[in-house]
Amino acid sequence: DIQMTQSPATLSASVGDTVNITCRASQSIGRWLAWYQQKPGKPPKAVIFDASSLKSGVPSRFSGRGSGTEFTLIISSLQPDDFATYYCQQYDSDSYTFGQGTSLEI
Amino acid sequence: EVQLLESGGGLVQPGGSLRLSCAASGFTFRSYVMAWVRQAPGKGLEWVSTITSGIGNTYYRDSVKGRFTIFRDNSKSTLYMEMNNLRVEDTAIYYCAKAPVATGATWFDPWGQGTLVTVSS
Repeated sequence: DIQMTQSPATLSASVGDTVNITCRASQSIGRWLAWYQQKPGKPPKAVIFDASSLKSGVPSRFSGRGSGTEFTLIISSLQPDDFATYYCQQYDSDSYTFGQGTSLEI
Repeated sequence: EVQLLESGGGLVQPGGSLRLSCAASGFTFRSYVMAWVRQAPGKGLEWVSTITSGIGNTYYRDSVKGRFTIFRDNSKSTLYMEMNNLRVEDTAIYYCAKAPVATGATWFDPWGQGTLVTVSS
């Protein structure tokens, strides 16, 4: 199976900051990567798919870049609603894998 | 509005069985890939199984192969997961999730609210 490694595990930031979350794949996955946001007690919500496509309705301060084995989720001008846990997911194969998550904290 | 409502979770002893259901509405259920993804308490997300539209090809993570069966009833717009020989390590919230495609590898959105499965003696 393809392993997904996220970093950092925890990220402390303030409102207005710009943060980067990295996800590395154990082998090339092209651009088949999605990012999810999850808040406590709630299901995940997709924010980015195909590495850099913004899901409809998601604020434009979210962006994604990368291909192959290294990917980044960028959140600009952090808002209070953005503090959550973020997961990457590869879908290069039918055996999907997620990163271990990044907790974005104030 | 797409809605996914899971049910069927509960407390079961190791070796026991459960059937999870996911009632879908707000979209043409038969036309989309559907999946189950789980999350152990305080842990990350773990894909469990996927079923395609049409003939319903199925895929499973290795740890549940031979124990879990995913299936769908398109006439009832409902996704199911039959879980047998449950283990303590299967304890998790099980989410039902919709894909934006009919077949092929994919991402998932939206997800249901989840149903908790606890395997314990």
